[in-house]
Amino acid sequence: GAVVSQHPSRVICKSGTSVKIECRSLDFQATTMFWYRQFPKQSLMLMATSNEGSKATYEQGVEKDKFLINHASLTLSTLTVTSAHPEDSSFYICSAPGLKILAGGVFEQFFGPGTRLTVL
Amino acid sequence: KNQVEQSPQSLIILEGKNCTLQCNYTVSPFSNLRWYKQDTGRGPVSLTIMTFSENTKSNGRYTATLDADTKQSSLHITASQLSDSASYICVVSARNDYKLSFGAGTTVTVRA
Repeated sequence: GAVVSQHPSRVICKSGTSVKIECRSLDFQATTMFWYRQFPKQSLMLMATSNEGSKATYEQGVEKDKFLINHASLTLSTLTVTSAHPEDSSFYICSAPGLKILAGGVFEQFFGPGTRLTVL
Repeated sequence: KNQVEQSPQSLIILEGKNCTLQCNYTVSPFSNLRWYKQDTGRGPVSLTIMTFSENTKSNGRYTATLDADTKQSSLHITASQLSDSASYICVVSARNDYKLSFGAGTTVTVRA
């Protein structure tokens, strides 16, 4: 099946620094990728939709200048948390729709393994 | 607003026993409902996907049901194993909308 990877899996940084998280579709191309944030014991919250070759679409309340998204190729999207603060500490997950159309016109959604960000 | 409610929030079961998780949604117009398993510190992994025309789907010891009329779904785990300990998330999509609506998940703990 399709695989989505994330790097790094875990990062600890000092407050004020920037952190880049990569999301790759390993064996398929993805013109669209999604970035989520998940706080402990809570559900995934969509942050933004990454579009290859164009600007990302951010959800309401998500600062686009703080969470920079770049979808430079059909297999790579990056999320950069700029000037990170302790409240940005969270589990960041990306996902990409597969190419195969399932019954009913539904696309499978493949999630990456997540990146644990801890800001000190 | 599209919402997905799951119950219970958590449950503990003994190895070998069965359990059923519930999901109610208000997403409309409905397209499909997915159940994911998320291990701690990992990304969600798909268990089942059902469209409005399907009312049951199995994946090994996992069986999902869907009642599109009452907007309810359940996930039944048969003969639970220790490796079933995880969070189970109900995710619903609306027609013509790429966004997914996530439930808060049910944390299942299987004990020996």
